[in-house]
Amino acid sequence: AQKITQTQPGMFVQEKEAVTLDCTYDTSDQSYGLFWYKQPSSGEMIFLIYQGSYDEQNATEGRYSLNFQKARKSANLVISASQLGDSAMYFCAMRELLGDSWGKLQFGAGTQVVVTP
Amino acid sequence: DGGITQSPKYLFRKEGQNVTLSCEQNLNHDAMYWYRQDPGQGLRLIYYSQIVNDFQKGDIAEGYSVSREKKESFPLTVTSAQKNPTAFYLCASSIGSGDDFTDTQYFGPGTRLTVL
Repeated sequence: AQKITQTQPGMFVQEKEAVTLDCTYDTSDQSYGLFWYKQPSSGEMIFLIYQGSYDEQNATEGRYSLNFQKARKSANLVISASQLGDSAMYFCAMRELLGDSWGKLQFGAGTQVVVTP
Repeated sequence: DGGITQSPKYLFRKEGQNVTLSCEQNLNHDAMYWYRQDPGQGLRLIYYSQIVNDFQKGDIAEGYSVSREKKESFPLTVTSAQKNPTAFYLCASSIGSGDDFTDTQYFGPGTRLTVL
């Protein structure tokens, strides 16, 4: 079963505007971590932000923030004041606590973002 | 500069040949990982290693092999048994703290393998 679902295959956003990328996850564990990565056309995966399942505050890193809604099992990424350099593929990923050790990262299919002038 | 290097960036091989992809890190990380990415898809885990001389299969290990003789290096061999080897391969590393989910993985620039 798909653990991470990203329903938006692609989005256009105008420069300086905010964009929200959707991510829903499936887990029965109470302990898990959620991650967002950016993949520009060069191919490298760049870590952006993470949220722990027990964190009460939404994570923020500069222009990136994570809108964490635990009951709905969603972890949407918000990019504020988009820049042309934000054009990239964005991946949501999750890591679950399996027994007494952390499992591997599981990735969604990604959302392609294109920022237009 | 600390980081993860993968070489080469582009690799072409004939069908039936084994090929080895390089991954080196100077971040002093214990854990290293290999992922495969196909067009329009997310990453799938091939192999991972949490410590030198030890490694485990991921979700799609068939047709691949790895070694971890040094902390800094985790080469991946794509064997002729891999039925569809053309893909983008990403190597990653992390501190390797098994008791902390914030053990963030950092990625190299990737190698694009094309089998002709």
